[in-house]
Amino acid sequence: GQSLEQPSEVTAVEGAIVQINCTYQTSGFYGLSWYQQHDGGAPTFLSYNALDGLEETGRFSSFLSRSDSYGYLLLQELQMKDSASYFCAVRDSGAGSYQLTFGKGTKLSVIP
Amino acid sequence: EPEVTQTPSHQVTQMGQEVILRCVPISNHLYFYWYRQILGQKVEFLVSFYNNEISEKSEIFDDQFSVERPDGSNFTLKIRSTKLEDSAMYFCASSGSSGRSYEQYFGPGTRLTVT
Repeated sequence: GQSLEQPSEVTAVEGAIVQINCTYQTSGFYGLSWYQQHDGGAPTFLSYNALDGLEETGRFSSFLSRSDSYGYLLLQELQMKDSASYFCAVRDSGAGSYQLTFGKGTKLSVIP
Repeated sequence: EPEVTQTPSHQVTQMGQEVILRCVPISNHLYFYWYRQILGQKVEFLVSFYNNEISEKSEIFDDQFSVERPDGSNFTLKIRSTKLEDSAMYFCASSGSSGRSYEQYFGPGTRLTVT
């Protein structure tokens, strides 16, 4: 089975940097994705790591360490609109397996 | 920009009734999914669909559930006899290829309320 752990809530100040961690235990692992979900909205894809290291997409970066079963999402220059829930998700490595298993989500509150 | 659409946005039904949730995935995508999210909880995988058949399904996706792609554009989730615990937001998603299944595009969801 798969299990993912991430903090339930994080609060940060506008303009600051915040890091949301995710640790996972999986029977198979293909890669780690990050999704953003605003209240009442749909999950939106942010970033993906299949290999160790940092992936940068504008203000958002994501990091993966496969040996540590650990990843994080880094949000820089926080804006009020970044207030949302952030989910890490793993894709299993099984052949023909395309499902994503999501963590419970981290609710980020950006304050002025 | 192409997007996944879902109808209805909100469905209220009585326990024991059948419901059909509809989705139109992105037109050139090949892989389709249904997920559900109980209020305040995580997104849970239900089923994936490729080449007109189910690829995988979770334990949640029991005999009460079925999926269908009745034509070239629609993708439906049917719940035969709804239970109170089926109340949730149901999201349809699609992805373009197996290699990019980590990047799934989600629809706005259908909020199902079973009374």
